[in-house]
Amino acid sequence: GQQLNQSPQSMFIQEGEDVSMNCTSSSIFNTWLWYKQDPGEGPVLLIALYKAGELTSNGRLTAQFGITRKDSFLNISASIPSDVGIYFCAGPVNAGGTSYGKLTFGQGTILTVHP
Amino acid sequence: DTEVTQTPKHLVMGMTNKKSLKCEQHMGHRAMYWYKQKAKKPPELMFVYSYEKLSINESVPSRFSPECPNSSLLNLHLHALQPEDSALYLCASSQPLRTGSRETQYFGPGTRLLVL
Repeated sequence: GQQLNQSPQSMFIQEGEDVSMNCTSSSIFNTWLWYKQDPGEGPVLLIALYKAGELTSNGRLTAQFGITRKDSFLNISASIPSDVGIYFCAGPVNAGGTSYGKLTFGQGTILTVHP
Repeated sequence: DTEVTQTPKHLVMGMTNKKSLKCEQHMGHRAMYWYKQKAKKPPELMFVYSYEKLSINESVPSRFSPECPNSSLLNLHLHALQPEDSALYLCASSQPLRTGSRETQYFGPGTRLLVL
C-alpha cells in the first residue's frame, strides 16, 4: 500500500534552533499535506503542496514537494516554545489513478522545544 | 473560514450507554470524514461521506453508526462501546474529489471519548 515514512520520530531542540523533518514514500503522491497537532486538539493544516518541486512558506515554516513526487520536507526556522506538538505529513491514497478521499499519514514527528 | 466544529469536547460513557458525537462545517464542503486517533498515533479513517452518502466504511464495528443529515452536519452514534474504543474522535471535511478539487482535509478539534 501507499505508506509514508516520516522522520525523525522525535526531536528535542533549544529555542531558536531550526528544525527539519521529512516524509518519503515508495509511491508517487499528487498532494502533500503537513499538519500540526497540539495535545488534545485536532490536526491543524500548516501547508498544502500540489505540484512537484513546489516550495511554499507559511511564516517560519517552509515545505517542499519533492521533484520525484515521492518525498516532502518541512522546515521550521527559529523555533519557539509554541512550536511544540506532533507534526504529521499526509497524502491522498491513490489506486489505479483514482483517489478515494482517503489520506495516508506519516507516523508523526514529536517536537519538544526547550526555552 | 476553515472551521470544523465538534461537540462535545469530552465524553465519558459506560458500555451500555448510547451517545452521539456531532460535527458541523459551513465551508460548503460536500465530503465529511470520521477518524479515530489513539495517543501519539496518526488518525485512522473510519467513514467517508460524499454528497451526504456513505462512500467508505473502513470495516468499522456496527457499534459505531454514522449519519449525515445534511451537507453541513455529520453525526456518529455510539452504542455498546468497549473500553478499547476510548480515543480522540476527529471529524474532517473537504471538497469531494469528483469536483476536480484539491484533496485538502480540514479537521475539527475532536471529541475525547472515555469508555468505562
